[in-house]
Amino acid sequence: KAGVTQTPRYLIKTRGQQVTLSCSPISGHRSVSWYQQTPGQGLQFLFEYFSETQRNKGNFPGRFSGRQFSNSRSEMNVSTLELGDSALYLCASSRGGTGYGYTFGSGTRLTVV
Amino acid sequence: AQKITQTQPGMFVQEKEAVTLDCTYDTSDPSYGLFWYKQPSSGEMIFLIYQGSYDQQNATEGRYSLNFQKARKSANLVISASQLGDSAMYFCAMREGRDSNYQLIWGAGTKLIIKP
Repeated sequence: KAGVTQTPRYLIKTRGQQVTLSCSPISGHRSVSWYQQTPGQGLQFLFEYFSETQRNKGNFPGRFSGRQFSNSRSEMNVSTLELGDSALYLCASSRGGTGYGYTFGSGTRLTVV
Repeated sequence: AQKITQTQPGMFVQEKEAVTLDCTYDTSDPSYGLFWYKQPSSGEMIFLIYQGSYDQQNATEGRYSLNFQKARKSANLVISASQLGDSAMYFCAMREGRDSNYQLIWGAGTKLIIKP
C-alpha cells in the first residue's frame, strides 16, 4: 500500500515569504502529525489533526498553522518566513488512537534564504 | 528536564557485532509508549519497534529488540548482527498516555556507523 507522501521534497524560500507543505497519509489513516527537525532543536512537535480537527498543538508561534481536509490530507503553512524556519518538516500518519504507531513521510526540506 | 535522554551522540560498531543504543525516559504517567525510529541520510523516519508501558515482555522485531527496564525507566534498542545498512541516526521517542495527547517526544538521537 502507498506510504505517506509529502510534497514538495525540497523548497527554497526567501525571508518574509510564506510556504505551504502538503502531506497525504496512508489510506484509512485519519490522524496526521507534523514535526520540525533542526540540528539545534532536534525533533519538535508542531500539531496533530484527526478528522479535520486539531487535537494537539506544540509550542510554536502563530505563524505556523495547519489544516486537514475531509480526505485526511493535511497542509501546514508558515507565514512570514524567518531564517530559523529552515528545517526538515516531517509528517506522520496514524489511525489515530493511542494504541497505534506512526508512519512517516520522507519530509520536506525547507531552506529560507 | 529532558523527557527522553539518549546519552550516545555517536557510535562506531564493527559489522556483524551486536549494538545497544541507550534510551532513558522520564514520565509520571503510568500509561505510555516507547518507540525507536531509524533515520537514514535520506531523511525518512523508519519505524523499528514499539513497547507499551503495560507490556509484560520485551518487544522484538526481527534483528531489533527492546530491553525494557521499567523500574529504571530505560528502553534500550538492541540490534543483533549489525549490517552496513544499519548506519543511520536512531531516535527514541515517547508518547504519554494522557487523554488527548498524541504527540511524540523525541530524544536527541544516536548516530550509528557500522564499519566493514
